[in-house]
Amino acid sequence: ETGVTQTPRHLVMGMTNKKSLKCEQHLGHNAMYWYKQSAKKPLELMFVYNFKEQTENNSVPSRFSPECPNSSHLFLHLHTLQPEDSALYLCASSAQLMSSYNEQFFGPGTRLTVL
Amino acid sequence: GQNIDQPTEMTATEGAIVQINCTYQTSGFNGLFWYQQHAGEAPTFLSYNVLDGLEEKGRFSSFLSRSKGYSYLLLKELQMKDSASYLCAVRDQTGANNLFFGTGTRLTVIP
Repeated sequence: ETGVTQTPRHLVMGMTNKKSLKCEQHLGHNAMYWYKQSAKKPLELMFVYNFKEQTENNSVPSRFSPECPNSSHLFLHLHTLQPEDSALYLCASSAQLMSSYNEQFFGPGTRLTVL
Repeated sequence: GQNIDQPTEMTATEGAIVQINCTYQTSGFNGLFWYQQHAGEAPTFLSYNVLDGLEEKGRFSSFLSRSKGYSYLLLKELQMKDSASYLCAVRDQTGANNLFFGTGTRLTVIP
C-alpha cells in the first residue's frame, strides 16, 4: 500500500465510449502525475500537476483530458480512444515538484483495454 | 533528450547475487532512481543516487557513476519474491525535473 489509490483497476471500453479514471493520494503531497505504461516501452509521462495547476502536457492527444480539483485527487477523462491507447495507466504523487529529492509514490494502475 | 538503457530480461538463482545495469544520457542529470514493480502492482521506490558511489539498503545496493552515465542495482541473497521488473529512472532538470524511465528489466528468480 503506497498511499495512492486508483479506480477502476480494470476498464474495457469501446472507441465511442466516455469514461474517467480516478486517482487519490493520502500522503499530503502537492504534485500528481499521470503515466502510460505499454508493453515493452518505458513509462511515459503524460501530465503533471503542481498545487492543482497543470505544469506539463507531454504532447498527449486531446482525447485524454486531465482534471485536478484539489491536491489529493486527479482524474483522467477518456473519450473516443483508439485501440493503441490500451495500456496500464499509472498515477503518482510526490511531496514537491522541484525539490532535489523527489520520490514519487505510484498507485497500482488502471488496466485499460480499448476495443 | 533522454536515453535510458537497461537489459530487458535477466534470470538468477535463489540465494545468488544479481546486478542490473542502467546506462543513461541526459542533458541535465539531477538524480537516479530505482523502482521495483511486481506484475499488476504499483512501482515501489528502492533507491536514489545523486552523487557518485554506492548506496546500501539491506539486501539491495545501488551504484552511480555520473562521469560514465552508469548505474547498477545489486540484489544479494536473492529470494523468490524478488522476481519483478526493476525500473531505472533519471531526473532531468532540463525536463522540469521530471523522471524519465527505462523500459525496465524483468528479473526471474529460479529455485
